[in-house]
Amino acid sequence: AQSVSQHNHHVILSEAASLELGCNYSYGGTVNLFWYVQYPGQHLQLLLKYFSGDPLVKGIKGFEAEFIKSKFSFNLRKPSVQWSDTAEYFCAVGGTDKLIFGTGTRLQVFP
Amino acid sequence: EAQVTQNPRYLITVTGKKLTVTCSQNMNHEYMSWYRQDPGLGLRQIYYSMNVEVTDKGDVPEGYKVSRKEKRNFPLILESPSPNQTSLYFCASSWGGQLAKNIQYFGAGTRLSVL
Repeated sequence: AQSVSQHNHHVILSEAASLELGCNYSYGGTVNLFWYVQYPGQHLQLLLKYFSGDPLVKGIKGFEAEFIKSKFSFNLRKPSVQWSDTAEYFCAVGGTDKLIFGTGTRLQVFP
Repeated sequence: EAQVTQNPRYLITVTGKKLTVTCSQNMNHEYMSWYRQDPGLGLRQIYYSMNVEVTDKGDVPEGYKVSRKEKRNFPLILESPSPNQTSLYFCASSWGGQLAKNIQYFGAGTRLSVL
């Protein structure tokens, strides 16, 4: 069965700390991977995506993610977080007819 | 401005009283979808539509109906709401195609409370 696991449910960091959010997937087919972000009170928006090619993808606001096929992982990283990165982050895998989302990771960044 | 518009944004209703949440997109997208978001469960797909008059069940379709009579609109209907449908609902749209439909544009959400 297709699934996405995000093991970090809640992450608390100070500004300037480095961030890595875990994402593991289970999917039998060509993998398309995504990170979406939901800022407080706002709708989800696409942060970055991987379809093929370079497994290190860069997104908006200094975020990047690395696709490691052998580990079925697509972890999200940022070298130095800001208070404005406080949000909920969702990993997703693109299936034939739909996106399959993980349960989300709530990130809180304190000044 | 390209957008997905949901109405209402907030709704409080009582058990059994039929309601409709509207969703409209102005991007000429073929694919539209409804999700519900619940704490600890992430986003779960309710229904989706690949194009006009083509709809299909997602992961949690029970208690919901949809229709797609026009390309731009994809209303979500709760014929007889129950308290377990209290949730945050999102409509999304995207271009069709294997890859493009995964790049979805989301509405602002509708927070529904069923008493």
